[in-house]
Amino acid sequence: DIQMTQSPSTLSASVGDRVTITCRASQSISSWLAWYQQKPGKAPKLLIYKASSLESGVPSRFSGSGSGTEFTLTISSLQPDDSATYYCQQYDSQWTFGQGTKVEIK
Amino acid sequence: QVTLRESGPALVKPTQTLTLTCTFSGFSLNTSEMCVSWVRQPPGKALEWLALIDWDDDKYYSTSLKTRLTISKDTSKNQVVLTMTNMDPVDTATYYCVRIPGHDVGAFDIWGQGTMVTVSS
Repeated sequence: DIQMTQSPSTLSASVGDRVTITCRASQSISSWLAWYQQKPGKAPKLLIYKASSLESGVPSRFSGSGSGTEFTLTISSLQPDDSATYYCQQYDSQWTFGQGTKVEIK
Repeated sequence: QVTLRESGPALVKPTQTLTLTCTFSGFSLNTSEMCVSWVRQPPGKALEWLALIDWDDDKYYSTSLKTRLTISKDTSKNQVVLTMTNMDPVDTATYYCVRIPGHDVGAFDIWGQGTMVTVSS
């Protein structure tokens, strides 16, 4: 099975900061990677698919990049509403999630 | 508007079988490349993919849970059913039903609200 490792596990940043979350796959997954945002008590929400495609309705401050085994999610200017846990997911071979990154606002 | 809604028991006893139903609207599982899947999340923990069924009735299961899971669909009722046998307290989680709209997206674009299942005697 393909394992997904996210870093960091938590991060604290100020409004307006540029934030980057990294996701590494245990083997190449081409660009078959998605990013989700989950707020407490809510279902996850799709942000990015195919590593860099922005889901409809998602603010343009979110972007994704990478291919193969290393991927990043970037929030260009952190907003208070972005406080959440973010998960990466591979779908090259079955489906596997990372362990999550909790983003807090300072 | 695409929606999915999970239903099932909130409490099951250890060793019992859990049956969850996903009732969806706004799309058809007869559409080429359409898929419905199940994901769970134990309290305070990460998401875990469980099973998937596609428009062609192909089924896929988590390697670690495949001996306990069965997924099926009833396209006439717009429903997907997941059964999990031999439930254990570690299976306590929120269970989500999700849609994959096709290979071009490939990811889980629409999620149900989730249903919390507690396993306890």
